Amino acid sequence: GQQVMQIPQYQHVQEGEDFTTYCNSSTTLSNIQWYKQRPGGHPVFLIQLVKSGEVKKQKRLTFQFGEAKKNSSLHITATQTTDVGTYFCAGPMEYGNKLVFGAGTILRVKS
Amino acid sequence: ETGVTQTPRHLVMGMTNKKSLKCEQHLGHNAMYWYKQSAKKPLELMFVYNFKEQTENNSVPSRFSPECPNSSHLFLHLHTLQPEDSALYLCASSPRVENTEAFFGQGTRLTVV
Repeated sequence: GQQVMQIPQYQHVQEGEDFTTYCNSSTTLSNIQWYKQRPGGHPVFLIQLVKSGEVKKQKRLTFQFGEAKKNSSLHITATQTTDVGTYFCAGPMEYGNKLVFGAGTILRVKS
Repeated sequence: ETGVTQTPRHLVMGMTNKKSLKCEQHLGHNAMYWYKQSAKKPLELMFVYNFKEQTENNSVPSRFSPECPNSSHLFLHLHTLQPEDSALYLCASSPRVENTEAFFGQGTRLTVV
C-alpha cells in the first residue's frame, strides 16, 4: 500500500544548531502537508505544498517539495527550545484523498 | 483554541465498560475524522465522515462504533475494549475530504485496564 516514510526518527540538537527532517512517499503526491505536535499536545497544521519544486518559508522554517513530488523536507535554522516536538509529514492517498501520515521525527533541543 | 473540541480529555475504562468519546467542531467543516495515535506508531486513520455520511472505515474492529449525527458532531462509542486499545484518540475536521489540511482536537487519552 501507499507509504509515507520519514527520517530520522529522533534528532537531538544543541540550541542554535540547524535541523532537517525528510519525507519520502512511495507514490507521487498531489500535495504534501506538514504538522507539528508538541509534547502532550495534538498535531497542528503548519503548511501545505502543492507545486513541484516549491519552497516556502515560515520565519526559521523552510519547507521544500521535490521536483518529482515524491519527497519533501523541513529545515529549521538555529533551533530554539520552542521548536521541540514531533514533526509529521502527510500526503493524500492515491485513491480517496485521505491523508497518510509519516511516523514523525521527534526533535529535542538542548539549551 | 483549535475550533475542534474533544471530551473527555482523559478516560480510564475497564474491558467490560461502555463509554463514548465526543468531538465537536466550530469551523463549519464538512469532513470529520477519528485517528488513533499509539506510542511509536504513525497516526492511524480510523473513520472518515463527509457531510455526516461515513465514507471510510479503515478495517477498525467493531468494538469501536462511530456516530455522526450532523456535520459538527462526531462520537466514538467504545465497548469491550482491550488493553492494546489504550492510545490517544484524535478527532479532526477539514473543509472537505479532498486534499485539505486537517484541524485536530486535543485528543482523548484512553487507558483500558
